[in-house]
This record gives sequence, C-alpha cells and structure tokens, in this order.
Amino acid sequence: DQQVKQNSPSLSVQEGRISILNCDYTNSMFDYFLWYKKYPAEGPTFLISISSIKDKNEDGRFTVFLNKSAKHLSLHIVPSQPGDSAVYFCAASGNQFYFGTGTSLTVIP
Amino acid sequence: DAGVTQSPTHLIKTRGQQVTLRCSPKSGHDTVSWYQQALGQGPQFIFQYYEEEERQRGNFPDRFSGHQFPNYSSELNVNALLLGDSALYLCASSLDRGWETQYFGPGTRLLVL
Repeated sequence: DQQVKQNSPSLSVQEGRISILNCDYTNSMFDYFLWYKKYPAEGPTFLISISSIKDKNEDGRFTVFLNKSAKHLSLHIVPSQPGDSAVYFCAASGNQFYFGTGTSLTVIP
Repeated sequence: DAGVTQSPTHLIKTRGQQVTLRCSPKSGHDTVSWYQQALGQGPQFIFQYYEEEERQRGNFPDRFSGHQFPNYSSELNVNALLLGDSALYLCASSLDRGWETQYFGPGTRLLVL
C-alpha cells in the first residue's frame, strides 16, 4: 500500500531551466511533507519541507508547493544545475514516516 | 561533528542466517529510526527507538528487532534471513522523535544468497 507516490521515475532537464518533480499522497492525515536528495552510496539528505497548514515554502533555488485538495506536492528547482543531478524522494509524516519511490533527476550541461 | 555512522558498509549472508547492523546517531540526537530500501524503491520505515524503547513500528515481521543503548546507538537484528531481505538498510537519527529533523547514515548494503 503505497501512501506516497512519485509517478515519474526519471526526469532530464537542461541546465538553467526549471525542474519540476511531482508527488502524490493518499492519506489526508499527513501533517508534514519533506523532500530529500540522494546521491549514490550516501544516505538521503534533507532538502526542504512544508507543513500541511501552508501551501508554499521557498529556500533559495528550491520551492515546494502543496495542494491539499489534490493531495499533491511538487518541488521546483530554478535554475537547475548539473550538481542537482540525484534521486529525489518526497516523504510524508503522520504516525510514521513514508517515502515515495524516488525520481532520478539528470541536469544536462 | 560526525554525522550518522553505520557499520558494516556491506554484508553478505545466506538464507536462514541472522544479521546485526549497527548505527551511531549524530551527536546530540536521542532518537534512531531504521529503514529498508529495496532496489528501485523508496526507504520503508521499520521502527523507531527513543529512550531505549521501540516507539513506532512499520509493517515488518517480528524477525526484525532492534535495540537502543544508553549512549543512543542502536542495532537492527534480522533473524531467519530471506532472499527478499536483500536491501540497503538506512539508519536515521533525530531529536525528540522528530521526523522533520532526521539525518541519515550512508546505509548498510545487505545481500542474502
């Protein structure tokens, strides 16, 4: 039972353009959403988060949008850089912690 | 400041054996959570330890057990290994059972033959 879903396994974007990563969830009781970035042979590292009472949170080049009615969140990276190439996981917290399956982002120089 | 450390980095076992994985949390953190990440999947929550007790548990059988020591380090034990237990096992530490402030270790790659 996948409560957090990332339907795009991979995404390629030209350097300087916008990267948009999407995530859907099923449980309306989730109260906190996070995005993690993962490089090979390393654990996930926290990128940005958003509380369920907000609809947008921004941190530098990274912005997360939350649409509670659609149970959808997205991560925007502007401008995309080659160093952003990694696997991105969205996650949600409620009584426990749920990860999506990840989206592999490749930023082409 | 050392972050979350895990040992060993890689491990090979055979079906039916038992394995113990170890985790040292980030300095100042008192909560340890364990995750299993199968190939091509996202990490799945196994359980969380706080104050030396299991506080939360995901949908994993009793073959998966753990322990937290007074210095907050933790062990994950898996008994009667199955081929399907092959995965990357991630440890995350945080403060006061917070999900939002988890720091992850690099993981232990377990292969069951």
